[in-house]
Amino acid sequence: NAGVTQTPKFQVLKTGQSMTLQCAQDMNHNSMYWYRQDPGMGLRLIYYSASEGTTDKGEVPNGYNVSRLNKREFSLRLESAAPSQTSVYFCASSAYSGGSYEQYFGPGTRLTVT
Amino acid sequence: AQTVTQSQPEMSVQEAETVTLSCTYDTSESDYYLFWYKQPPSRQMILVIRQEAYKQQNATENRFSVNFQKAAKSFSLKISDSQLGDAAMYFCAYRSSFMEYGNKLVFGAGTILRVKS
Repeated sequence: NAGVTQTPKFQVLKTGQSMTLQCAQDMNHNSMYWYRQDPGMGLRLIYYSASEGTTDKGEVPNGYNVSRLNKREFSLRLESAAPSQTSVYFCASSAYSGGSYEQYFGPGTRLTVT
Repeated sequence: AQTVTQSQPEMSVQEAETVTLSCTYDTSESDYYLFWYKQPPSRQMILVIRQEAYKQQNATENRFSVNFQKAAKSFSLKISDSQLGDAAMYFCAYRSSFMEYGNKLVFGAGTILRVKS
């Protein structure tokens, strides 16, 4: 049981390049999330998917797209990377546990855009 | 919209002593959940403790306990008998109980905790 996995762990892009961050979970969770973490700002929600086939914008969606490929996988795409998208990206999934929904996080991807 | 504020960018504690990390939040909801997450240098987000707003009793998990003051919208984390392994960034987070909000978490900016030996 690997939990939430993310690839790649590190990535360097040039301005204008595109890339897709991959996320998969093997816990049969319905909901999945993408956050970005910037110094002094905590984690901010980019997009989320409450269930397979649905996606919704979070707090900072501009410049990103997502795909909920199936129940296991939720990818984040940067179509034209900008230096402002330099950040650490976390994927998470959630399930009901002990009377509440708990979020389980992946190890993160450190992205640098030059 | 809900907001979470952690006013202490950095805290230090001597090993074996007690430290309290502060968190305040703003919401118009009466039912919600509050969390403390720990992020060590490995970047992995680890759930430390959870509090349901409808419960008056403060949550405890071993050396970690919270002081939940609903009227004051305050949710502090107390770490007793601090250990070197407690050194990390700590995030306070809020989640609405309304399902239409998709179980999203709203995070504070974080507090770096340093533990001195």
